[in-house]
Amino acid sequence: AQKITQTQPGMFVQEKEAVTLDCTYDTSDPSYGLFWYKQPSSGEMIFLIYQGSYDQQNATEGRYSLNFQKARKSANLVISASQLGDSAMYFCAMSSLYNFNKFYFGSGTKLNVKP
Amino acid sequence: DTEVTQTPKHLVMGMTNKKSLKCEQHMGHRAMYWYKQKAKKPPELMFVYSYEKLSINESVPSRFSPECPNSSLLNLHLHALQPEDSALYLCASSQVSVGSQSYGNTIYFGEGSWLTVV
Repeated sequence: AQKITQTQPGMFVQEKEAVTLDCTYDTSDPSYGLFWYKQPSSGEMIFLIYQGSYDQQNATEGRYSLNFQKARKSANLVISASQLGDSAMYFCAMSSLYNFNKFYFGSGTKLNVKP
Repeated sequence: DTEVTQTPKHLVMGMTNKKSLKCEQHMGHRAMYWYKQKAKKPPELMFVYSYEKLSINESVPSRFSPECPNSSLLNLHLHALQPEDSALYLCASSQVSVGSQSYGNTIYFGEGSWLTVV
């Protein structure tokens, strides 16, 4: 069975500082994908970054990077130089080898950026 | 701007009404999804269409009826809903699973339709 765990219900960060959002996962599949999404209060789920289980390098997209530690089964999101517009809900998600169209979501982390 | 568009953005309906949520994607994807999301919870998968055929139904009550008229359109027909069905309904699309992991399996979401059942 697949499982995604986000242990931080809410976090605060000062504007312009970096912040790490934790995500651990559990799967017995040898091949899987890991994703992070941002959801502002408006409701849209915005795709941020993807990491494949076979990728050797950590994924980066602008101010977002994914700290992938395969042995620990963790896929933490790092946001550098936080901005007020980063305040939102963040979801970690995983897709499985046997059905890549079925995503498993974590419970989410609410990030608040303070001016 | 998102390439998955949903209408209406907000919908209020009575328990005896029949209404529909509409979704259109312009990404050339052949998989489309409906998710339901309650406040402060992650999205829950309802339906998946692959190549316009229903491939996953997560035991959703029959008062929700999906329809995929073509590869870029997805509807969710609503009838005799209950107040507990009030939620954010998210449409999404992706490439069809090719049996191996890749960036191409990324699911892209629309802005959502906020549904209130009174």
